Amino acid sequence: QITLKESGPTLVKPTQTLTLTCTFSGFSLSTSGVGVGWIRQPPGKALEWLALIYWDDDKRYSPSLKSRLTITKDTSKNQVVLTMTNMDPVDTATYYCAHRRSFYGSGSYQGYFDYWGQGTLVTVSS
Amino acid sequence: QSVLTQPPSVSGAPGQRVTISCTGSSSNIGAGYDVHWYQQLPGTAPKLLIYGNSNRPSGVPDRFSGSKSGTSASLAITGLQAEDEADYYCQSYDSSLSGHYVFGTGTKVTVL
Repeated sequence: QITLKESGPTLVKPTQTLTLTCTFSGFSLSTSGVGVGWIRQPPGKALEWLALIYWDDDKRYSPSLKSRLTITKDTSKNQVVLTMTNMDPVDTATYYCAHRRSFYGSGSYQGYFDYWGQGTLVTVSS
Repeated sequence: QSVLTQPPSVSGAPGQRVTISCTGSSSNIGAGYDVHWYQQLPGTAPKLLIYGNSNRPSGVPDRFSGSKSGTSASLAITGLQAEDEADYYCQSYDSSLSGHYVFGTGTKVTVL
């Protein structure tokens, strides 16, 4: 059974750095094709993909946020950490981590998010 | 910054059929990347509904179906039920700018 859970501060001040941890179980991030991603959702707004780390340590970032994001993994602890610098009130959102499953579709290996954490609300305010 | 466009809302009476469109471009859906759909009930995390354009995970009712053509995809809900009232998001992959995942703008389904 795959589970993921996000943890981190609920309140950060503008300009501070946010550090979120995703602790998971039921899979290994050293298994080929596996990835863990971060997605956020401002109150009342749409989902926004932020970053993803693959089993081989390859990383992908949202082009619009790339300069502010860093994603890392600790395979031995079953954790993925996301840091976001220079936080602003517009970054107030629920942050989710999710398991990325690989599948072969339409002629290439692709991925989708089949298991999600419950999410953690981060408020940016002074 | 969504690059996949969905209608903000759709509605239907119980038992009716509704469809949600997801329009992309030549660097994502049009490039051959599959589309996946998620259902988000109020106050909960998104749940995978359709993967690989038209595949349902175990436990998802066959009232939900997906398709893809060109630079667009669609999610259909037949026999609409009250519990289907939720937000729905499409997702794909975009090959531009070193490659990244993208979500749609989201659609609120209201059961009248």
